[in-house]
Amino acid sequence: DIQMTQSPSSLSASVGDRVTITCRASQGIRNELGWYQQKPEKAPKRLIYTASTLQSGVPSRFSGSGSGTEFTLTISSLQPEDVATYYCLQHNSYPYTFGQGTKVDIK
Amino acid sequence: EVHLVESGGALVQPGGSLRLSCAASGFTLNNYWMMWVRQAPGKGLEWVASIRQDGRETYYVDSVKGRFTISRDNVKNSLYLQMNTLRAEDTAVYYCARVFDPWGQGTLVTVSS
Repeated sequence: DIQMTQSPSSLSASVGDRVTITCRASQGIRNELGWYQQKPEKAPKRLIYTASTLQSGVPSRFSGSGSGTEFTLTISSLQPEDVATYYCLQHNSYPYTFGQGTKVDIK
Repeated sequence: EVHLVESGGALVQPGGSLRLSCAASGFTLNNYWMMWVRQAPGKGLEWVASIRQDGRETYYVDSVKGRFTISRDNVKNSLYLQMNTLRAEDTAVYYCARVFDPWGQGTLVTVSS
């Protein structure tokens, strides 16, 4: 099985800060990775697919990069509405696996 | 607008069975792979199962193999998850999703005596 190691597990940043979340895959997954945002008591919502493609309707302050084993989700300027838990998901091979999640809040 | 609505979640005793349903609207179900993902209380996301458009190819996470069955009825625009021999560790909110977006709002399954 492919393990997805996500870091950090939580972070606190100020409004306007640049925020970076990383996922590392235990083996190469090409660009078969998505990033999801989950707000409390809500279903997850996809932000990024194929590692770097922005989902329609998602603000441009979100971006993704990486290929192979290392991937990054960046929020260029953190906003109050970005308070949520973020997950990566690899779909290169079964079983699909998620990262452990990163809880983001405002300092 | 694409819409997914899960139903069937309930409180069930260990060893019991439950069938979850997911009603799809706003798109043609038989054009897409579909999946179930679960989230135990206070925990992260776990992919459970996926099914091909024609239903002839399915995949499961090891912990549910032999106990859960994913299926679909493209005429009824519905996805299902038959869960047998339920365990306490199956307690979670279960989401259906069109691979890989969007997701439904989830349905809660609680396995407890």
